[in-house]
Amino acid sequence: DAGVTQSPTHLIKTRGQQVTLRCSPKSGHDTVSWYQQALGQGPQFIFQYYEEEERQRGNFPDRFSGHQFPNYSSELNVNALLLGDSALYLCASSLVSTGEYFGPGTRLTVL
Amino acid sequence: EDQVTQSPEALRLQEGESSSLNCSYTVSGLRGLFWYRQDPGKGPEFLFTLYSAGEEKEKERLKATLTKKESFLHITAPKPEDSATYLCACVSGTASKLTFGTGTRLQVML
Repeated sequence: DAGVTQSPTHLIKTRGQQVTLRCSPKSGHDTVSWYQQALGQGPQFIFQYYEEEERQRGNFPDRFSGHQFPNYSSELNVNALLLGDSALYLCASSLVSTGEYFGPGTRLTVL
Repeated sequence: EDQVTQSPEALRLQEGESSSLNCSYTVSGLRGLFWYRQDPGKGPEFLFTLYSAGEEKEKERLKATLTKKESFLHITAPKPEDSATYLCACVSGTASKLTFGTGTRLQVML
């Protein structure tokens, strides 16, 4: 059983560019959450998708947007990248009754 | 706003030297407290979920406990492979998001 998968593993962008990160949830999971983890910090909640709709959102600007597809996979889009967006982006999947299971993350570097 | 505080920030132990990590929380209506292990550059790995005060869970050398204000992760006779960052997180009220602490970096020396 494949766990949560994310792509790409690493990404380098320049300020002002746009980026799309992808996530496939653990088999049987219908809810996907995205987190941003800066170096030395705990993950910060960006938003959560369920049934293709954004169910909850953290304190992130509108430059951060997402999407969930009918097969429960998800994308995170970030527009107008800033240096401060450099971080490890984590996707987590869950069912209502379970804890969240995390993917390996995508390391984004903004130059 | 929910707050999760972990201590110490870093801990260095000798192999076999047992210790405890602390996670204190201030949340409205705790629905679950989670412990994760994270290795450098990787995603957090799920360890335990605790739901109510007095609950305890064990896995190998790790034991998690929960009170109304805090949780402890006890590490018994640690080995070098237990070296990692241990993260605590809470889910509260009607929210479904995890609120994380900043983690405890554990290093176990030979």
